[in-house]
Parts: sequence; C-alpha cells; structure tokens
Amino acid sequence: NAGVTQTPKFRVLKTGQSMTLLCAQDMNHEYMYWYRQDPGMGLRLIHYSVGEGTTAKGEVPDGYNVSRLKKQNFLLGLESAAPSQTSVYFCASSNPGLEAEAFFGQGTRLTVV
Amino acid sequence: AQRVTQPEKLLSVFKGAPVELKCNYSYSGSPELFWYVQYSRQRLQLLLRHISRESIKGFTADLNKGETSFHLKKPFAQEEDSAMYYCALLNTGFQKLVFGTGTRLLVSP
Repeated sequence: NAGVTQTPKFRVLKTGQSMTLLCAQDMNHEYMYWYRQDPGMGLRLIHYSVGEGTTAKGEVPDGYNVSRLKKQNFLLGLESAAPSQTSVYFCASSNPGLEAEAFFGQGTRLTVV
Repeated sequence: AQRVTQPEKLLSVFKGAPVELKCNYSYSGSPELFWYVQYSRQRLQLLLRHISRESIKGFTADLNKGETSFHLKKPFAQEEDSAMYYCALLNTGFQKLVFGTGTRLLVSP
C-alpha cells in the first residue's frame, strides 16, 4: 500500500551538479505533479503530466525538466543545480474527475550549496 | 490565469475558539476548490472539496462565487487541528492543481 513514493528523501548538491528525483505511484493514476515548497511561498507547481508521454509547464518550470515515460513514474531533473533550487519537493498523483483527490509523496529535501 | 490567495501566514487561536482560514481565488472558469492539510511530519492530504459539500473533522467550507472565496471554518478549534492548511484550485481545462501559500494554524491549550 505504498501510494506515492519519492526517491531520494534527502540530498545535498553542489552548484552546477545535476540530479534526478523519482516519483513512483502504484494507484494507476493518470495525472502526476511536481511542486516545490518554500517558506512563505506555499506549494508552487513546477511541471505536471496528464498522461504517459505527456508533460506540461507549471508556474515555475525554469531550471527543471521532466519525463513521464511510464505511467507510474514521473521524473524531475535538475541539469545544473543552483542555490535557488534549495527547497522541499513534493510529487502528487490523481485521476481525472472533479472529485479526484491528489495523493502526495513524503517529500524530498534538496539543498544546493 | 488562475490564482489562489491565502492572506494569513499564521493564525493562532485558543482551544475552543472559532476558526476561519481565508481563501480567495481568481479563475475565469467554474472553480473546483479544495482544502489540503499537512500535519507535522505527515504528508499533505485532502481535507475537503467544495463539490462534496462535506464536513470533515468539524471543518466546513462554502464556495462564495460572488466574493470568489472558499473560507475554511470550524466552530470550536482543537489542539490536534494545529497544522498547515492549503487552499487549492483545479483548472479543469488543463487539469492543473494550483495551491495557495498556506496558513499555519496554531491551537493553544
């Protein structure tokens, strides 16, 4: 009964390094989302996907790329990390429908030094 | 463009006092609104959605299209209500789920 799982839970990067955050869901959800959570800024949508093979930009997409090659996985990539990308990252998934509930992962705390 | 505004970063009340967490939105379509809650050391989870007109843990929220608001209310706050609360709007055209900046509710004994 895993739900939404994010890997890794914590990571420290040096400026300029790259990394990929993995989100996996086992609920057969169509939609997946990546958010970043910063103090005073709430949750801001980075990218999202409405189905396998599709992605779309959210509110703050710059500096990030995503891929949804498999329905159950949604990858968030940082090609060249910057200190401004220090944040807590959350993945979520849901199904279509007005009453659809978004299920969230436990978060990934990323620090870029 | 869609936007969700939560004007209060922190709301501090005593146990038993009424609580109202404010949420205003801007959206050109018909809004689908939700409240999510994040308790300490737990995942963000759905609290309630306007379309269901439900009451969860004593909380209710009414959509007021005239005032473009979806305030969360509870008549008598409990200490276990202390958490971070987020108002969210679903753009049904693009299926974008957008959140406000959140309000931290602190209920003191």
